[in-house]
Amino acid sequence: GQQVMQIPQYQHVQEGEDFTTYCNSSTTLSNIQWYKQRPGGHPVFLIQLVKSGEVKKQKRLTFQFGEAKKNSSLHITATQTTDVGTYFCAGNSNYQLIWGAGTKLIIKP
Amino acid sequence: KAGVTQTPRYLIKTRGQQVTLSCSPISGHRSVSWYQQTPGQGLQFLFEYFSETQRNKGNFPGRFSGRQFSNSRSEMNVSTLELGDSALYLCASSLGLATSYNEQFFGPGTRLTVL
Repeated sequence: GQQVMQIPQYQHVQEGEDFTTYCNSSTTLSNIQWYKQRPGGHPVFLIQLVKSGEVKKQKRLTFQFGEAKKNSSLHITATQTTDVGTYFCAGNSNYQLIWGAGTKLIIKP
Repeated sequence: KAGVTQTPRYLIKTRGQQVTLSCSPISGHRSVSWYQQTPGQGLQFLFEYFSETQRNKGNFPGRFSGRQFSNSRSEMNVSTLELGDSALYLCASSLGLATSYNEQFFGPGTRLTVL
């Protein structure tokens, strides 16, 4: 079946270090969305990418959609404690929204 | 504008019982999707309703069912509860179908514990 693999499952970083999570789909996606879930909270929409090779930025966050529309990444520069949470991608393929398993960002004390 | 509301927020049931969860979407939103989230797991899609019709369904047994009313409010029912049904159940609303480039707005969830 259609899958979206998201890696890594966890990433421990020191505050100020960068963070990246990757999503790879077995099929071509028409669009991909990114969500953030804070500990104890619910997922909150961050952004949607639609075009091949699209890059969007939100302050310290950079989102990319691959040329083949099969992969996407989220990069956070200089992480802060407010970035803690789980980041999910959700890809749309053949009228199915397929969710990645999420990457949990943990800031080392 | 009020967000997505879910009731109840917490629920404790015993095996074999049934449960009904409710979701009120954002005003004007016509699509409601339901998800199951367990510790360490991602979001497992249950089903999506749009204009009172189920449009998409995930890989869950028939014990899980839902419906949507004319005001877009939705309910989810789980019959013959099993221990493995303990989870956070999230509903999300969107203007149109979630698969049509619409962002989803999630509610706070209902935490179901099955004893």
